[in-house]
Amino acid sequence: EVQLVESGGGLVQPGGSLRLSCAASGFTFSRYPMHWVRQAPGKGLVWVSRIKSDASVTTYADSVRGRFTVSRDNAKNTLYLQMNSLRVEDTAVYYCVRDGLDYGDYAAFDIWGQGTMVTVSS
Amino acid sequence: AIQMTQSPSSLSASVGDRVTITCRASQGIGNDLGWYQQKPGKVPKLLIYGASTLQSGVSSRFSGSGSGTDFTLTISSLQPEDFATYYCLQDYKYPISFGPGTKVDIK
Repeated sequence: EVQLVESGGGLVQPGGSLRLSCAASGFTFSRYPMHWVRQAPGKGLVWVSRIKSDASVTTYADSVRGRFTVSRDNAKNTLYLQMNSLRVEDTAVYYCVRDGLDYGDYAAFDIWGQGTMVTVSS
Repeated sequence: AIQMTQSPSSLSASVGDRVTITCRASQGIGNDLGWYQQKPGKVPKLLIYGASTLQSGVSSRFSGSGSGTDFTLTISSLQPEDFATYYCLQDYKYPISFGPGTKVDIK
């Protein structure tokens, strides 16, 4: 079964750090670009970051650039999101998302993890 | 950054209704647009990519159209399982951006 399982969320104080992990299974992880998408409680979806399959290129939303770092370990089939200098407005469910390969040049978020909740509060 | 807007923000409809949701980009994005469905407490699901190509396994009552700046998602005959929030997403240029969502609920 194709699956993404996030972990590492929790409660952290403003200015703190957290590292999210996403364990992939059921597919050849190393072939796929991966993304992080977040959703604040009761709000819409917001794209956060992308990493190419070989980790050669990373891209970030303006709101997290310089504070968040996406990385991957293809040998461990795991995606990471290192989040530093966290702000109250970073509070959200963070989803790990696969960018499918069978969609031409289009980004197609075809597999989503269940999400991990990050709460930034004092 | 490309801004995405959706209209309406919410709508009430009955089973069997034809429903149309509009998504507009702040600049031309070709047909680099996808549609996602999210039910309460669930993860989003890919419905359409490339503005009009139906994802495998998605009901044919869903269709997408448009190019450039204006796009539509149409549900030809609304079913009970279609009550959800729908998001468009542009992948023409980074940063990728979602629309704010359209909530479809029961009239």
